[in-house]
Amino acid sequence: AQSVTQPDIHITVSEGASLELRCNYSYGATPYLFWYVQSPGQGLQLLLKYFSGDTLVQGIKGFEAEFKRSQSSFNLRKPSVHWSDAAEYFCAGGDSSYKLIFGSGTRLLVRP
Amino acid sequence: SQTIHQWPATLVQPVGSPLSLECTVEGTSNPNLYWYRQAAGRGLQLLFYSVGIGQISSEVPQNLSASRPQDRQFILSSKKLLLSDSGFYLCAWSARDGGIAFFGQGTRLTVV
Repeated sequence: AQSVTQPDIHITVSEGASLELRCNYSYGATPYLFWYVQSPGQGLQLLLKYFSGDTLVQGIKGFEAEFKRSQSSFNLRKPSVHWSDAAEYFCAGGDSSYKLIFGSGTRLLVRP
Repeated sequence: SQTIHQWPATLVQPVGSPLSLECTVEGTSNPNLYWYRQAAGRGLQLLFYSVGIGQISSEVPQNLSASRPQDRQFILSSKKLLLSDSGFYLCAWSARDGGIAFFGQGTRLTVV
């Protein structure tokens, strides 16, 4: 069955430190892959997407993600975290059926 | 530009009462429409999706139903709410070619 897994429930980093949030997927074929961010009590905002082509994708707010087929991963990275990045991050996968399947989310805490 | 409206933002309802949450999309035609539920500490669960007027696919058996009376209107309903229906409900849309989903701001439903 199709699935998206985010193994880290919480991650805490210091402001200015680098960040990597993990995402693994299980699909029969290469899915569309997305990262969303959710601030408390708000909807989800799309950070970046991967459909095909270049495996390193750039997104908004300085985020990037790399698609690695061999590892079935699509990890989100940011070289220097800002306090305003504290939020919950969701990885999602989709296919031609247009249904997005979400991971359970990773809550990012930023230490001053 | 496209926008998605979801209301109400918060709702407190007694057990056994009916429910109607509405979502409308502007600035696009023939969108795919989705209802997701986000329970505390959990990821997003796809409840329903629709690829056209009157076409509803249900992902999980539950106490809820969905309808799409117009192209850009998606309604989530229940005849009798259960305590377990509490959660954060998110409406989303994607273009006909699928992939990226844009989310509304969500409805916080508390069943008491």
